[in-house]
Amino acid sequence: DTAVSQTPKYLVTQMGNDKSIKCEQNLGHDTMYWYKQDSKKFLKIMFSYNNKELIINETVPNRFSPKSPDKAHLNLHINSLELGDSAVYFCASSRTMRGLVRTDTQYFGPGTRLTVL
Amino acid sequence: AQTVTQSQPEMSVQEAETVTLSCTYDTSESDYYLFWYKQPPSRQMILVIRQEAYKQQNATENRFSVNFQKAAKSFSLKISDSQLGDAAMYFCAYRSASTSGTYKYIFGTGTRLKVLA
Repeated sequence: DTAVSQTPKYLVTQMGNDKSIKCEQNLGHDTMYWYKQDSKKFLKIMFSYNNKELIINETVPNRFSPKSPDKAHLNLHINSLELGDSAVYFCASSRTMRGLVRTDTQYFGPGTRLTVL
Repeated sequence: AQTVTQSQPEMSVQEAETVTLSCTYDTSESDYYLFWYKQPPSRQMILVIRQEAYKQQNATENRFSVNFQKAAKSFSLKISDSQLGDAAMYFCAYRSASTSGTYKYIFGTGTRLKVLA
């Protein structure tokens, strides 16, 4: 069973369109993330949710809006797509560290390659 | 703010030989995690090895081991008996262990490892 899954794997769309990428994890984790990896392979965090609450919101255009309907899902909606949005978007999840529980490894999804024409 | 630096954009190693990938980081915190992730051409981000800063012993996972030098803020990855399947981008990552933190991972820019037959 896939631990962290993303759909779609590939997304090709025109400038100005609105699109969504979905992410689901079946690991029982309570923290989920969205990362953007550009053409130079630089991986940068965009958002993080913990128990459906937004806890990280990096400097990202307002056109990007994450939505977490429950702990197992974190979707990314992008309005008015621009050429510069072309990248690979990774979803990840981890278990929040509490008390003596120190393991906090992030598990990544397979990525969604977004191409804006 | 924390930073992670990988100064080697690309490395090559002969099959069956040993290679070391460098990573340095900057932080004022005393407790944190360090990770090495591998990204093969399939783009999947795969955890290779993790190190907790409070542990003095270097982490090992089969052919992968780290040299963690906390005072020098260095976290290098050694791959022994290199195999063709080890060819990938390798990312070093830092995460604060603070329970009041924002669970943000900081990634380096990656090192592309080529394995020569």
